[in-house]
Amino acid sequence: GENVEQHPSTLSVQEGDSAVIKCTYSDSASNYFPWYKQELGKRPQLIIDIRSNVGEKKDQRIAVTLNKTAKHFSLHITETQPEDSAVYFCAALEMNRDDKIIFGKGTRLHILP
Amino acid sequence: DAGITQSPRHKVTETGTPVTLRCHQTENHRYMYWYRQDPGHGLRLIHYSYGVKDTDKGEVSDGYSVSRSKTEDFLLTLESATSSQTSVYFCAISELGGGETQYFGPGTRLLVL
Repeated sequence: GENVEQHPSTLSVQEGDSAVIKCTYSDSASNYFPWYKQELGKRPQLIIDIRSNVGEKKDQRIAVTLNKTAKHFSLHITETQPEDSAVYFCAALEMNRDDKIIFGKGTRLHILP
Repeated sequence: DAGITQSPRHKVTETGTPVTLRCHQTENHRYMYWYRQDPGHGLRLIHYSYGVKDTDKGEVSDGYSVSRSKTEDFLLTLESATSSQTSVYFCAISELGGGETQYFGPGTRLLVL
């Protein structure tokens, strides 16, 4: 089955700097890669996703890149702000074959003033 | 937030007692999921449902059972609670499963003494 590794487990960046979180997956058939953000005491919420037919997707200050050959994908947050402090989860699955998303263990992002 | 509620929101119980957690949705989504969230483990799928009376196991299903007799309700039962089942439990829904956005409920914090 699919296995998703996520690094780092904790990340601290100065406000205004960029943050990058990386994930690798094991199943080459996986073709859908969402990212969820969970603020302290809140529920996880989808912030961006990418499908394997594209290599990069942007939404304002966040972007996700996908390298299918290397089986890794990354979340990039630019111009970080205090409200970016949260736990971020990557995930992977193969659409049309499976309904079970496999999540990484999460990255706790701290934005330092 | 999507129309998802979980009950109870907090529960303290003793080892060996049965516990049932309820997830209720008003979105008429086909797919419903139960996850547990533990420090260092991220979100792990316990069971999911792809329709009324249609359920399947996730990666950590031992010690848990589920039932879905109506589209809007998905019940998670711990037949005989153990301390290792102390966790935060999240329900999630998805309209079509697979590569579709999952919307999470507010979570239930369960403590097994």
